[in-house]
This record gives sequence, structure tokens and C-alpha cells, in this order.
Amino acid sequence: QKEVEQDPGPLSVPEGAIVSLNCTYSNSAFQYFMWYRQYSRKGPELLMYTYSSGNKEDGRFTAQVDISSKYISLFIRDSQPSDSATYLCAMSKGTNAGKSTFGDGTTLTVKP
Amino acid sequence: GAVVSQHPSRVICKSGTSVKIECRSLDFQATTMFWYRQFPKQSLMLMATSNEGSKATYEQGVEKDKFLINHASLTLSTLTVTSAHPEDSSFYICSAIDRAANEKLFFGSGTQLSVL
Repeated sequence: QKEVEQDPGPLSVPEGAIVSLNCTYSNSAFQYFMWYRQYSRKGPELLMYTYSSGNKEDGRFTAQVDISSKYISLFIRDSQPSDSATYLCAMSKGTNAGKSTFGDGTTLTVKP
Repeated sequence: GAVVSQHPSRVICKSGTSVKIECRSLDFQATTMFWYRQFPKQSLMLMATSNEGSKATYEQGVEKDKFLINHASLTLSTLTVTSAHPEDSSFYICSAIDRAANEKLFFGSGTQLSVL
């Protein structure tokens, strides 16, 4: 069983919809949680970075972490066609983000 | 955010040849860089940690003699795939930690390697 599970999708939504992306994990040592956006054949781009449980909002993006349930979410409000990409969750035990464990990614398509 | 430049973006080579991929941090110094491999529709798999001025640390199962890493300066790390074979064909991505940005990780744009 993988340490980080992420539904690969694909997920297709109409423009303007609220998107919910999720990951579950099994290692209780994870304390830092990240969401990356990756366009096809490009490197990942950091979207959100959170520590421990709680919510964090940045523009149209909201990250939620529930350590007790080992469950993290990324919400995208007012989704746009430019949000179409693969979204990777990642988590680490310490501040060394380079050693993060990544999910397999969820492919999202936002249709105009 | 910080910028990490990776070159080339795509390379096609013959089996048995060596290929060098460069990773540069453009606006910050990176004492530590990371190299990953990603297969289609799969996650990033960490190959090695590149440390400036010292030997790289390889993950279990990664052949250090095949994937040579050099981190000669605070802004440049290189990955050389030696004696490439078709099974080495993959998407290779580097990243670097910007310590001035709360240890956040920034990625290069990736290199698609195709070995014929």
C-alpha cells in the first residue's frame, strides 16, 4: 500500500465550478503538506504549503489538512480552463521538502 | 517565486551514449538540489539529493554509476545519464530548496529523455 493515495481521476468540470481534490496518507509522521500543479511535460509548481492541521487560503485556492483523519484537500473556487492540469499532493516529515512523498496526481480538466 | 532553470527540455539520443542535464537556480543559492524521475501518469520518484561540494546521496535502487550527479557550485547541479538505454527513457525533473523562502521547493521545467 502506498503511503500517499490520490485519486488519479480524470476529473472534468464546467468552468466556474468548485473543484475538490483529495489525498489520504498512512504515515502519521507527516507534518508538512503541499499541493503542486503540473502542466503537461512541465515541472510541478508549488500552490499551497501548510503545516499541521488547519485551513489556508490563497486567492481561489483553499488547502485543508485534517491530521486526525490523515486527509488533505485542495479546493479551487470559480475554476477556469487555465486550471486544467495535474494536481499533486505531497507531504514530508520535516522541513526538507525535497524528501517529500508525492501522490500520483489528479488530472483536472475545466471545460469552457 | 524562485526560478529553477533546467536544460535541455527534450533530448533524443542513441543507446549507449551519455546525456547531461543541467539544473540552475537563477535567483537564489541552492546548497541542496534534488533529482526526480517521472513516468507517465505516475508520481515523482526521488532519485538523489545533490549536495554542493560533496557527493550526492542516492535513493535505494538508483545506480550511482549510471546517474552521475555533480553539484560544483551553489547554483548548478548536473545529472549525467551514462550509457543510456531505452529503459532510461523518462521525464527527469530537478528541484531546489530556497532557504530564504521558508524552505520551499521549486522545480525545473523537466527534461524528456528518449533513448533510441
